[in-house]
Order: sequence, then C-alpha cells, then structure tokens
Amino acid sequence: LAKTTQPISMDSYEGQEVNITCSHNNIATNDYITWYQQFPSQGPRFIIQGYKTKVTNEVASLFIPADRKSSTLSLPRVSLSDTAVYYCLVGDKGAGNKLTFGGGTRVLVKP
Amino acid sequence: NAGVMQNPRHLVRRRGQEARLRCSPMKGHSHVYWYRQLPEEGLKFMVYLQKENIIDESGMPKERFSAEFPKEGPSILRIQQVVRGDSAAYFCASSPGVQGGLLETQYFGPGTRLLVL
Repeated sequence: LAKTTQPISMDSYEGQEVNITCSHNNIATNDYITWYQQFPSQGPRFIIQGYKTKVTNEVASLFIPADRKSSTLSLPRVSLSDTAVYYCLVGDKGAGNKLTFGGGTRVLVKP
Repeated sequence: NAGVMQNPRHLVRRRGQEARLRCSPMKGHSHVYWYRQLPEEGLKFMVYLQKENIIDESGMPKERFSAEFPKEGPSILRIQQVVRGDSAAYFCASSPGVQGGLLETQYFGPGTRLLVL
C-alpha cells in the first residue's frame, strides 16, 4: 500500500481557504486518492475521492497533478465547524477495500 | 435512512473481563469493517466481513479478538480477557458492496469507547 505523508497540523481563520497537501510518492497505477474528515469523538466521514486532475463537490476540491505523487485537498471559506482531522488515503479495491489511515492533518479554524 | 449504529457508545471493563461491541450497518449494506483508534492516532484496520463470512482479518490480533457478522443481527466484535492496552475507540463502518474499480465509500458509526480498568 502506498504510504502517505501530510502535515501534522494547520491553523486557519474563518473565511479563508485551506489547502492540505498529501505526498504519496509510491502511488500505484490502480490507486485512488480519498480524503476523510474526522471530528472529535466521531467516526470519519468521506469527503472526496479522485484519480487524476481535479474533482470538485459541494464540500471540497481535490487537485491531483499529472504524476499523481501528491494531491491537495482544498476547503473553500472554512468556518469554525471545519475544525477536524483530515486524512489522506491511497489504495485500490484490490487491497480488499480496507482503508489505511495515517496520522492525518489536524486543522484548527480560528475566529 | 439511519446511519451506522454502534452500541454501547461507552464501555468500561476490568482486566480479564469480556467486551462485546455491536455494529448495525446502514440499511442495504452488506459489508462491515472494524477499525481501532488509539488516542491521537489514526484508525487501524482490524477486520472486513460480509454476511457470515470473514473476508480479511489481517489487522486482528491473533489472540482474544474475534468478529462475526451473522445472517441476522448486528456484527459483533468480541474481546476476551481484556487488558489495559485494549482501551481505545472502536469504529465500525459499512459499505454497500457494489462492484467496481473505485474504493467504496465507507460510512462510519460513532464508535465505542472502551476503557479497561
């Protein structure tokens, strides 16, 4: 399974855009990139998934360069309620559908 | 449509006792996963089950831990003779089991926080 590296923590302010970059140098051809969000005392929640280029949904955007060795999760105009831990995961269905979580990035949104 | 349900939310056991954690997947989901999370760490995969079948238990400790997902009823994660190191949050997730190349989105429950005294 591809190993991921992401910053341990990031601080931001309400209304700003938050960009979290994840490195996955050993990503395999069949691997997808998935991001989950976890609030304190809750289970993780799926945010977005992509394979290449750009994916956007109502919550976030995911930017993946052509070499796919990294990806950036972009959260537009964050609010206090976006304070959470964000996990970048890389894998494919051949891994048996199990998710491999790293340490995640702890995002603190300040007023 | 109710989400993934886990009970109890909090469980206190003394060393040597048994802990039983229950998980009811989302309606229509046939795949269940169990993860363990230690404080300040990411989740660690334990086991992946379908109805009456264990698909992948590569993350399960070899002793004292077992899991099942019977034809009827919730999935159960059972920890026998608990030790202090078993104290953690245990999360269950479910997915519909749709075929395809994408990793299926997993829907997580609120977790069971186990404290072993």
